[in-house]
Amino acid sequence: DTGVSQNPRHKITKRGQNVTFRCDPISEHNRLYWYRQTLGQGPEFLTYFQNEAQLEKSRLLSDRFSAERPKGSFSTLEIQRTEQGDSAMYLCASSNRDRLTYEQYFGPGTRLTVT
Amino acid sequence: DQQVKQNSPSLSVQEGRISILNCDYTNSMFDYFLWYKKYPAEGPTFLISISSIKDKNEDGRFTVFLNKSAKHLSLHIVPSQPGDSAVYFCAAQSTGSQGNLIFGKGTKLSVKP
Repeated sequence: DTGVSQNPRHKITKRGQNVTFRCDPISEHNRLYWYRQTLGQGPEFLTYFQNEAQLEKSRLLSDRFSAERPKGSFSTLEIQRTEQGDSAMYLCASSNRDRLTYEQYFGPGTRLTVT
Repeated sequence: DQQVKQNSPSLSVQEGRISILNCDYTNSMFDYFLWYKKYPAEGPTFLISISSIKDKNEDGRFTVFLNKSAKHLSLHIVPSQPGDSAVYFCAAQSTGSQGNLIFGKGTKLSVKP
């Protein structure tokens, strides 16, 4: 069990550029979540997938954000036309909905800085 | 409107003593609660959880207590160790819904040798 991995760990981009992040969940987990964390706050839910289906999106997820999980394994989160307010830690988590417990396991995150 | 509140931004305790971290929630639909620990530049690490059908869950040095009538939970760490120094997040979930976690803002615990 290698845990949840995220790439890249850090991304610096200029305002207006597009960025894409990748998340590889724990292999037997069928649910995958994206969260965003800013300084002094707890993680805030963005969206989640059950296998390849995107089942819920937060109001935080503007039209510039899109997420995919094409084969029910890894997921990507793309931000188009980045703004300085998008600077945050983007966290991915996975869980196994078939189990009786509901813990989500987080990756190390991708730190995005928009200049 | 914050549904999960951690009113103490920081807590300092002496090594070997008890650390008590508190969390309050407002949504009565929450039925599963979790504590996560976070070191700088890392993602949150799951510590311990409790279902609303229980009032206590223990795992080694960590115990979580749930008071449903008060909508309050607490995490006890005994004995505290310097390696426990981190930010602790309380999270809540309504398992009948889609299952996303609602987090508090965290409490920074410092355990002094």
